[in-house]
Amino acid sequence: EDKVVQSPLSLVVHEGDTVTLNCSYEVTNFRSLLWYKQEKKAPTFLFMLTSSGIEKKSGRLSSILDKKELFSILNITATQTGDSAVYLCAVINGSSNTGKLIFGQGTTLQVKP
Amino acid sequence: DTGVSQDPRHKITKRGQNVTFRCDPISEHNRLYWYRQTLGQGPEFLTYFQNEAQLEKSRLLSDRFSAERPKGSFSTLEIQRTEQGDSAMYLCASSLGGADIQYFGAGTRLSVL
Repeated sequence: EDKVVQSPLSLVVHEGDTVTLNCSYEVTNFRSLLWYKQEKKAPTFLFMLTSSGIEKKSGRLSSILDKKELFSILNITATQTGDSAVYLCAVINGSSNTGKLIFGQGTTLQVKP
Repeated sequence: DTGVSQDPRHKITKRGQNVTFRCDPISEHNRLYWYRQTLGQGPEFLTYFQNEAQLEKSRLLSDRFSAERPKGSFSTLEIQRTEQGDSAMYLCASSLGGADIQYFGAGTRLSVL
């Protein structure tokens, strides 16, 4: 059964800190891995990764995928209180015709002023 | 582009009642997904539509649940004879055929008393 595990489950940091969120996965036919940010509303898309070793970057956020070791990390530098959210990692199994997302349980990040 | 919209945002009902939720996807998106998210967990896939055809249903979707997407536009999710275990956030997402990125609505939070 396809599975996604995120760690840590929760994290408390102070503004300006750098954080690394982890996502490991088991999927029979990997197609892509996606990161979403969920505040008290709709999950919003951050990154999609399909190839190993290529870093995706957007402002203070970056992510990279390791298809050999079956994991991805999401880095946030110089954290701000607005980064407080649940960060969700999901994979898509390429054998599925539907493109459904298989999510991990999420990492709750709290950034204190 | 108004994004994915869901209605209502919150629903409180008594056990045994029927409820119906609505999702309006992004207008040109032919793929539509329903997910369920309980507290502290990532979203779990419920069902998938491609245009008006329902092509996959999760085993989580008991016979009390039914979903439709008439005319391939908006979708409804109905839960009959609600149970307390149905209390959750019901998320809708849409995507353009062939694209992996799904765009989520803000969800409908169901509380069954």
